[in-house]
Amino acid sequence: GAVVSQHPSWVICKSGTSVKIECRSLDFQATTMFWYRQFPKQSLMLMATSNEGSKATYEQGVEKDKFLINHASLTLSTLTVTSAHPEDSSFYICSAPPGAGGRNQPQHFGDGTRLSIL
Amino acid sequence: AQSVTQLGSHVSVSEGALVLLRCNYSSSVPPYLFWYVQYPNQGLQLLLKYTSAATLVKGINGFEAEFKKSETSFHLTKPSAHMSDAAEYFCAVSARNSGYALNFGKGTSLLVTP
Repeated sequence: GAVVSQHPSWVICKSGTSVKIECRSLDFQATTMFWYRQFPKQSLMLMATSNEGSKATYEQGVEKDKFLINHASLTLSTLTVTSAHPEDSSFYICSAPPGAGGRNQPQHFGDGTRLSIL
Repeated sequence: AQSVTQLGSHVSVSEGALVLLRCNYSSSVPPYLFWYVQYPNQGLQLLLKYTSAATLVKGINGFEAEFKKSETSFHLTKPSAHMSDAAEYFCAVSARNSGYALNFGKGTSLLVTP
């Protein structure tokens, strides 16, 4: 079945560092990718939708300059957390929309990236 | 826009007992409904989904859910709880008019006691 690969799975870095998270569709092409964020012990919230060949669509309240999203190709979407601070520490997870990996395919999630900013 | 409400942030059952996790949805268009499970420090695993076919949906690990339009509910059940079922469960909704992005409930933490 369709696979979404997300890297890295765990990042620990100093405050002020920029961190890039990659989300790849391994055996299908995706014109759209969703990026979600999950704070500890909380639910997942949609941050933005990346669109291949055009600007990402951000949800209300999400800082575009803080969370840079790029959909460079039909198999790669990236989220860069710029000048990260401790409050950006969270679990970030990407997903391809249903149908991206084939008819009747459900939404496929990456395994997530746990970001810890010291 | 679509949304879901999960009733009960924590549910505790005895091993072998019925599991019932409640989810109610709100949607102005036909919804797609999902249940996901998340184990500590892991990603999401799809348990089951409703996509306008059969209203009783069977998923993995013995879970099932019934879509009830009149009650706007999509409760998750399992006849007999196992210790390995202890995890966080999320109900989610999507629809075509939102590009199929998921709106998640706040989650229900299931505790299974011996």
